[in-house]
Amino acid sequence: EAGVVQSPRYKIIEKKQPVAFWCNPISGHNTLYWYLQNLGQGPELLIRYENEEAVDDSQLPKDRFSAERLKGVDSTLKIQPAELGDSAVYLCASSEGGAEDTQYFGPGTRLTVL
Amino acid sequence: AQSVTQLDSHVSVSEGTPVLLRCNYSSSYSPSLFWYVQHPNKGLQLLLKYTSAATLVKGINGFEAEFKKSETSFHLTKPSAHMSDAAEYFCVVSDHGGQNFVFGPGTRLSVLP
Repeated sequence: EAGVVQSPRYKIIEKKQPVAFWCNPISGHNTLYWYLQNLGQGPELLIRYENEEAVDDSQLPKDRFSAERLKGVDSTLKIQPAELGDSAVYLCASSEGGAEDTQYFGPGTRLTVL
Repeated sequence: AQSVTQLDSHVSVSEGTPVLLRCNYSSSYSPSLFWYVQHPNKGLQLLLKYTSAATLVKGINGFEAEFKKSETSFHLTKPSAHMSDAAEYFCVVSDHGGQNFVFGPGTRLSVLP
């Protein structure tokens, strides 16, 4: 069984440029998560989807971040414009059901903003 | 709201000696608790999870954790450390009130030869 797929694995951009990350969850997993992980810290939730509905986006900085999961399968997270402080690893995870279910993580996208 | 405290940011042990990584949590509901491991440049991997069944949970690679409600703890242990155990370990709490995963800050485990 394929795991959670993320691309790209690494991205280097200059500040004020846009950037997008893509995630394909495990087949059959209805819930998809985007996390931000700063160096030396634990992941922090940005947004959670149940199917195509964003059920928790309270931690998503909506002035510059957006996300979509149009068909309830793969998802895209976008930053526009990027700032220096956005440099981090962006993790995608998926689970079969609710918040108490095991989450399976992708390898992440390491973003560097210059 | 739930929260997680990992009391040690860094633990160093010698190969072949026991490992103890401490985790305390707070939760308004009956929690589910998880330990994940993250090797450098690798994705987070589930070690074990507790979801209100047996309080002693056995995971992969010889790790286990014991849920102690009275102490609000979920410490991770392994009888004998191996060099390949060197990684970052995260304790995670999720409650059944519909809240999401909350990660602890992580404990970096070093294993000395």
